[in-house]
Amino acid sequence: QLQLQESGPGLVKPSETLSLTCAVSGGPISSPSYYWGFIRQPPGKGLEWIGSFYYSGTFYNSSLKGRLTISVDTSTNQFTLKLTSVTVEDTAVYYCARGGLFGDSVDYWGQGTLVTVSS
Amino acid sequence: SYVLTQPPSVSVAPGKTARIPCGGHNIGAKGVHWYQQKPGQAPVVVIYSDSDRPSGIPERFSGSNSGNAATLTISTVEAGDEADYYCQVWVSGRDQVVFGGGTKLTVL
Repeated sequence: QLQLQESGPGLVKPSETLSLTCAVSGGPISSPSYYWGFIRQPPGKGLEWIGSFYYSGTFYNSSLKGRLTISVDTSTNQFTLKLTSVTVEDTAVYYCARGGLFGDSVDYWGQGTLVTVSS
Repeated sequence: SYVLTQPPSVSVAPGKTARIPCGGHNIGAKGVHWYQQKPGQAPVVVIYSDSDRPSGIPERFSGSNSGNAATLTISTVEAGDEADYYCQVWVSGRDQVVFGGGTKLTVL
């Protein structure tokens, strides 16, 4: 059974960098059939896709481009989000997730982790 | 950027049918997925590729997609269906994943 688990600081100061890691077990993140990435949800609000990677590259939400990097470590089956220059508007539950390439649904989600941006 | 529009809320009495729309330009040409999210939980896909149901999802859940609107239909609504529902598409060419704003389903 595929499992995804987010880890990282729950509190980040404004203007600093938010860093989260997603550890995947039960299947390789190098699979050519899927994309992997992060989705966030501010408190009381809707879902926002942040960015993802697949076998041929990364793709990011255009509204976050410039602040966002997703890196991949296939040797540990983990991937990492770095979001720079955070503000209070980046406060959210962050999920890592897997989706099917070519338009398929997001079929596996992590449990989510709350990241609060506050001084 | 591509926008998906959902009503903030839909209310329905138990045993009745709930219909949750998702509007988008020429959305009928895209595959639409629907997620159910209950408080404190990660979303779960209830309909994928317009109208397919994952295993374990009741037949009461169905979907359709045509023109500029997709619809999630929940028949014989139960109290346990009360949740937030999100539609989602993949915008090919731009490689973007887009979610609708979500609809809170209230069972009266």
